[in-house]
Amino acid sequence: EVQLVESGGVVVQPGGSLRLSCAASGFNFVDYTMHWVRQVPGKGLEWVSLINRDGGTTNYADSVKGRFTISRDNSKNSLYLQMNSLRTEDTALYYCTKERWGSKFLIESWGRGTLVTVSS
Amino acid sequence: QSALTQPPSASGSPGQSVTISCTGTSSDVGRYNYVSWYQQHPGKAPKLMIYEVSKRPSGVPDRFSGSKSGNTASLTVSGLQAEDEADYYCNSYAGSNNLVFGGGTKLTVL
Repeated sequence: EVQLVESGGVVVQPGGSLRLSCAASGFNFVDYTMHWVRQVPGKGLEWVSLINRDGGTTNYADSVKGRFTISRDNSKNSLYLQMNSLRTEDTALYYCTKERWGSKFLIESWGRGTLVTVSS
Repeated sequence: QSALTQPPSASGSPGQSVTISCTGTSSDVGRYNYVSWYQQHPGKAPKLMIYEVSKRPSGVPDRFSGSKSGNTASLTVSGLQAEDEADYYCNSYAGSNNLVFGGGTKLTVL
């Protein structure tokens, strides 16, 4: 069974930094492109970033480009999101997600999310 | 990277059909057949219901169907059931390793 467990969400001040982690299990992590998706409580979903299997290709939503960095450690079956220069509008539940096998750009599996609150 | 446009709400009575639209541009929905739909119940993670415009993952009832015409994709739920009440989000590939979601539609079963 696929399991994606996010951690690292806390309350942080504007301008601060935070690193989110996602522990993956139940599948061969190295074979999948991974994404981060966020959701402001009570609002819609927003795609944040993706990283391909070997980490050589990454991309970001315009809203986080230059501030967030996605990375992965395939030896640890882990996905990360380094978040710098945080803004109040970055407050959201951050989901770690996995693509479906054999389908490009298709998010299939989701974790339960970790809540990031940016507030003074 | 503008969000896809969905109606904020939709509703129908049990047994009826309801269709939710998702309007993008010629750079996303209109260009690629990588349109997917997700169902989200309160407090839960989203669940994949439709992918590549009209394909259903195993386990998703055939009451759920998808289609696309031009820059607009649609999700149709036939034979509405109480458990279909949820938020629904469309998603499309937008080129250059970008994805975009719709704003979401709250489906109410009357």
